[in-house]
Amino acid sequence: DTEVTQTPKHLVMGMTNKKSLKCEQHMGHRAMYWYKQKAKKPPELMFVYSYEKLSINESVPSRFSPECPNSSLLNLHLHALQPEDSALYLCASSQSGQGYGYTFGSGTRLTVV
Amino acid sequence: AQKVTQAQTEISVVEKEDVTLDCVYETRDTTYYLFWYKQPPSGELVFLIRRNSFDEQNEISGRYSWNFQKSTSSFNFTITASQVVDSAVYFCALSEGYTGNQFYFGTGTSLTVIP
Repeated sequence: DTEVTQTPKHLVMGMTNKKSLKCEQHMGHRAMYWYKQKAKKPPELMFVYSYEKLSINESVPSRFSPECPNSSLLNLHLHALQPEDSALYLCASSQSGQGYGYTFGSGTRLTVV
Repeated sequence: AQKVTQAQTEISVVEKEDVTLDCVYETRDTTYYLFWYKQPPSGELVFLIRRNSFDEQNEISGRYSWNFQKSTSSFNFTITASQVVDSAVYFCALSEGYTGNQFYFGTGTSLTVIP
């Protein structure tokens, strides 16, 4: 299994809703990432988990809350989002260590109304 | 300062033409890795190639080839005999640092291949 699976593929939520994005990989990768990508822009790093511990938080607002229940799963909990949070949310994983590159999921396209 | 520069924002070519996408990077590390990713309209990021800083051999994979030149800090990507399916946004990226968690994307080049 060489994939990163993200669910759901599309999500529409209101500003008062609570929802979660899920990411799963079974490649034995020990680093997992959340990226946010706006249209026609490169992905922007949000969070990094290394060995199931949060190692990097790129000053992301608290309405985004990551969780890594185990080495294969990564969640992103969403609460009280704003319309400007509408974007493609990409999950990635890699073997911990330089240069292995990332395997990206196909993303969740989030629309906040 | 931008770590990875892709000066070409948008390129259009006619099918079967060759096209080169430019990538210039900046790093003080002696060990680093360079990547190219393709992002078709469907949205997923597709890994194309990884190159480490000690390997300056050019690489060819089918219609794709990469030219890595440390002297000019460039890692250019050429598509030969372009096809409509090559239409996508292409990102060059740099990984530096011991853990490799510092991963920098360029701003991307949008390639349109016209039939």
